[in-house]
Amino acid sequence: EVQLVESGGGLVQPGGSLRLSCAASGFTFSGYWMHWVRQAPGKGLVWVSRINELGSDTYYADSVKGRFTISRDNAKNTAYLQMNSLRADDSAVYYCVRDNHLWELDDWGQGILVSVSS
Amino acid sequence: QSALIQPASLSGSPGQSITISCTGTSSDVGGYNYVSWYQQHPGRAPKLIIYGVTNRPSGVSNRFSGSKSGNTASLSISGLQAEDEADYYCNSYTSSRTGEFGGGTKLTVL
Repeated sequence: EVQLVESGGGLVQPGGSLRLSCAASGFTFSGYWMHWVRQAPGKGLVWVSRINELGSDTYYADSVKGRFTISRDNAKNTAYLQMNSLRADDSAVYYCVRDNHLWELDDWGQGILVSVSS
Repeated sequence: QSALIQPASLSGSPGQSITISCTGTSSDVGGYNYVSWYQQHPGRAPKLIIYGVTNRPSGVSNRFSGSKSGNTASLSISGLQAEDEADYYCNSYTSSRTGEFGGGTKLTVL
């Protein structure tokens, strides 16, 4: 069974940093692109970032480019999202998502809440 | 405002059919067959119901179907059931090699 478990969320002040982790199990992690998607309370889904199987190719939404960094450690079956210069509008539930094929986001974590507030 | 445009809400009675549209541009929906649809119930993670415009993952009811014409993709649900009441989101690959979601459609089963 595919499992994706996010951790590392919480309350942070504006301008601060957080690193989210996504521990994967139940599949060959190194064989899949991984994405991060976020959802502000009561709002819609927003695509954030993706990373290829080897970690050598990354892409970002314009809203987070230059502030967020996606990475992965295939030896640890874990994906990461380093979030710097956080703003109030970054407050959201962040989901880790597996891409089974190009844009087939077939398995989602339970989500982790990030709150940016003073 | 989301780059992909969906109706904010739709409603239908049990047994009826409905269609949710997702309008983009030639740089996303119209340019690639990488449109997917997700169903989200309150407090739950989204669930993939359509990928590659028309494909259903294993285990998804055949009451759900997808299509595309030009820059607009569509999700159709036939034989509406109470359990179909949820939020629905389209998603597309883009020419920038990024992704984007529609604003979401709240489906109410009357």
